[in-house]
Amino acid sequence: QVQLVESGGGLVKPGGSLRLSCAASGFTFSPYYMNWIRQTPGKGLEWVSSINSRGDIKKYADSVKGRFTISRDNAKNSLYLQMNSLRAEDTAVYYCARETYGYNEHWGQGTLVTVSS
Amino acid sequence: EIMMTQSPATLSVSPGERATLSCRASQSLNNKLAWYQQKPGQAPRLLIYDASTRATGIPARFSGSGSGTEFTLTISSLQSEDFAVYYCQRHNDWPYTFGQGTKLEIK
Repeated sequence: QVQLVESGGGLVKPGGSLRLSCAASGFTFSPYYMNWIRQTPGKGLEWVSSINSRGDIKKYADSVKGRFTISRDNAKNSLYLQMNSLRAEDTAVYYCARETYGYNEHWGQGTLVTVSS
Repeated sequence: EIMMTQSPATLSVSPGERATLSCRASQSLNNKLAWYQQKPGQAPRLLIYDASTRATGIPARFSGSGSGTEFTLTISSLQSEDFAVYYCQRHNDWPYTFGQGTKLEIK
């Protein structure tokens, strides 16, 4: 069965960096677009970033553009999100999701990122 | 940027009754609208895509309708496990904007 497992979350100071990982299993990873989506505590969902199957098309929400970088390693069945210049408003649970034509059919369990001094 | 607006914010319905949730887009999405269900402490679960196509394993009591800018999620006879938060999401193009959610609670 499809499994997506995020890791790398934690507590970081404002201005700091963090790298999230998402390990995929149970399906052939390489053909699929993948997304990062976040959810602030007690709030709704926000799409963060998308990457195509080859990794040469990357899209970002305006709120993270220039600070976050999405990448993937198809040989390792893994998705990444490098987060730099972190702000308090980046505090959220970060989910990776497998996309099909823009909708998210499978989600990981999420990893919590807390940005606080 | 396209805005997604869900209504109502909270909906109180008795078990066994019908629930109707709305989602409005500020521009036409054609039929590229998805619905998700989220329970506390869990990741969202895909219910509907392309406005009206049920995802794999989703019970027939969940149905989606609409096109253009107006969309509806209907749950025909509410079961106890259906009380949750529901989100819509445009999936026609980036950014994949979500609505702010509708909390479906027991009346």
